[in-house]
Amino acid sequence: GESVGLHLPTLSVQEGDNSIINCAYSNSASDYFIWYKQESGKGPQFIIDIRSNMDKRQGQRVTVLLNKTVKHLSLQIAATQPGDSAVYFCAENGDTGNQFYFGTGTSLTVIP
Amino acid sequence: EAEVAQSPRYKITEKSQAVAFWCDPISGHATLYWYRQILGQGPELLVQFQDESVVDDSQLPKDRFSAERLKGVDSTLKIQPAELGDSAMYLCASSLLGREAFFGQGTRLTVV
Repeated sequence: GESVGLHLPTLSVQEGDNSIINCAYSNSASDYFIWYKQESGKGPQFIIDIRSNMDKRQGQRVTVLLNKTVKHLSLQIAATQPGDSAVYFCAENGDTGNQFYFGTGTSLTVIP
Repeated sequence: EAEVAQSPRYKITEKSQAVAFWCDPISGHATLYWYRQILGQGPELLVQFQDESVVDDSQLPKDRFSAERLKGVDSTLKIQPAELGDSAMYLCASSLLGREAFFGQGTRLTVV
């Protein structure tokens, strides 16, 4: 299987601060990456994706950065809110291009 | 908003019993995935369908697990007999080929 890992298993931030969640992936053949948010007891929710022909993509309050040289992804959340508290996973599509391999996840806690 | 439907949400079963989970993907999504998520870990792919055909079931424990998608729409995942180690969240996801996967809310299985 693929190896997708996260640098920090837990992250605590103050409400209103920016959050940065990091992810390392191992398969250089992966060309599509997704960030998911998972709240307790629920399924993963799509946040943002990026293809390997890009190094940055922005959404609403979120930005994903891709560094293919060092096989690293990051998710930046601006003005973090209590509702952002969840576990965040990065996923890569691996060799087949149509399967998704997940890392362990980072638990984000937003302190009011 | 279209979503992946799963049932039941929760299931408690005794070991050695049979259990089945059902998934109805987003309409038009030809690709369907079953994942297993152990508490504190990321989802792990069990099986992938493209329409009614199995694309990859290399991680499915075939001595006790089976999956089908007879008409290429909804799908059933079965475990027989269930073992204590099967306790986990079983997630179904669907996607258009090469695009992001959308997840259902999952079935939380507890084997006692």
